[in-house]
Amino acid sequence: NAGVTQTPKFQVLKTGQSMTLQCAQDMNHEYMSWYRQDPGMGLRLIHYSVGAGITDQGEVPNGYNVSRSTTEDFPLRLLSAAPSQTSVYFCASNAPGQGGNTQYFGPGTRLTVL
Amino acid sequence: GDSVTQMEGPVTLSEEAFLTINCTYTATGYPSLFWYVQYPGEGLQLLLKATKADDKGSNKGFEATYRKETTSFHLEKGSVQVSDSAVYFCALSGGGRRALTFGSGTRLQVQP
Repeated sequence: NAGVTQTPKFQVLKTGQSMTLQCAQDMNHEYMSWYRQDPGMGLRLIHYSVGAGITDQGEVPNGYNVSRSTTEDFPLRLLSAAPSQTSVYFCASNAPGQGGNTQYFGPGTRLTVL
Repeated sequence: GDSVTQMEGPVTLSEEAFLTINCTYTATGYPSLFWYVQYPGEGLQLLLKATKADDKGSNKGFEATYRKETTSFHLEKGSVQVSDSAVYFCALSGGGRRALTFGSGTRLQVQP
């Protein structure tokens, strides 16, 4: 198993540009989520999905859209990038019934918005 | 809402020193508690977890005990190595949510 994969690893955008961060998992996990990591703030939940066709907002959803058309993929879209979205983005997944909600994280995407 | 507070870093230790990283939490009900580790340039990896009061999670020489009476989950290791240098995150999940609430992270630097 590849686990949770994310592309790209690095991205530089100009203010106002749009892009999609890709996330895929091959573990047949129902639950997937996106976090952003900023210095001194830990990780904060952006959006999550409990299964194909079902998404919901997390702690910091503004400026981001998600969709979940398949179990494997959970892309994160930035419609109009802003410098405040400069961050490291992590995708995670876990399966129902796993004791204590253990989540598996991807390697991250480092995004810079100029 | 739920929250996690952990000691600020960086924590700098010499090799073979004893490590404690404090973590306290606020949550309703009985959350599950986690320690994740992030090595330079990598994603987060689960280090250990505990799902109920008085449980002790352990892995790679690290330990943490779920203390409901003090709402704490402090991370300890008896003898750190240079390879333990990383950022450590305390986290919880609870209230039926699978999402994690993270602390701000503590950077550990171990010097030879």
